[in-house]
Amino acid sequence: GENVEQHPSTLSVQEGDSAVIKCTYSDSASNYFPWYKQELGKRPQLIIDIRSNVGEKKDQRIAVTLNKTAKHFSLHITETQPEDSAVYFCAAYDNDMRFGAGTRLTVKP
Amino acid sequence: GAGVSQTPSNKVTEKGKYVELRCDPISGHTALYWYRQSLGQGPEFLIYFQGTGAADDSGLPNDRFFAVRPEGSVSTLKIQRTERGDSAVYLCASSFGGLGEQFFGPGTRLTVL
Repeated sequence: GENVEQHPSTLSVQEGDSAVIKCTYSDSASNYFPWYKQELGKRPQLIIDIRSNVGEKKDQRIAVTLNKTAKHFSLHITETQPEDSAVYFCAAYDNDMRFGAGTRLTVKP
Repeated sequence: GAGVSQTPSNKVTEKGKYVELRCDPISGHTALYWYRQSLGQGPEFLIYFQGTGAADDSGLPNDRFFAVRPEGSVSTLKIQRTERGDSAVYLCASSFGGLGEQFFGPGTRLTVL
């Protein structure tokens, strides 16, 4: 089955800096890669996703890149704000969704 | 419209008891997923329904876990002979079709004493 690895497990940045979170997946048949943000005690919420026929997608301060050959994808957050502090999960989908273990992002004001 | 809802929000039970967790997906969503999330971990896939049938139940940890979705809408996750290791937040998500954004419910926090 699919195995998703996510790095780093924790990330601390200064407000205004960029943050990058990386994930690798094992199943080459996976074709959908969402990123979820989860605040403490809340449900995961989708922030951006990318499909396997696209290499990069951007939505304001958030971008995701996908390298299908290397089976890895990354989340980039620019101009980070304290409100970006949360746990971020990557996931890979092939008939079912497998999540990474999460990255706890802290943005220091 | 209403999002995904789950009941109860919290459930405390004793080891060996039976529990049922309910999920009401977004109306019209054909796909429904159950996940289990332990503290500090990502959601762990349990089972996926497409309509009334379980399309993939490979994530269920053992035969104490069972889920149904008899009318293709509401789903119930059933856990028999609960163990302390079953303590976690059980999340439900639904989507319109199998491939697309999954909308998560608020979860049920299960505590097995």
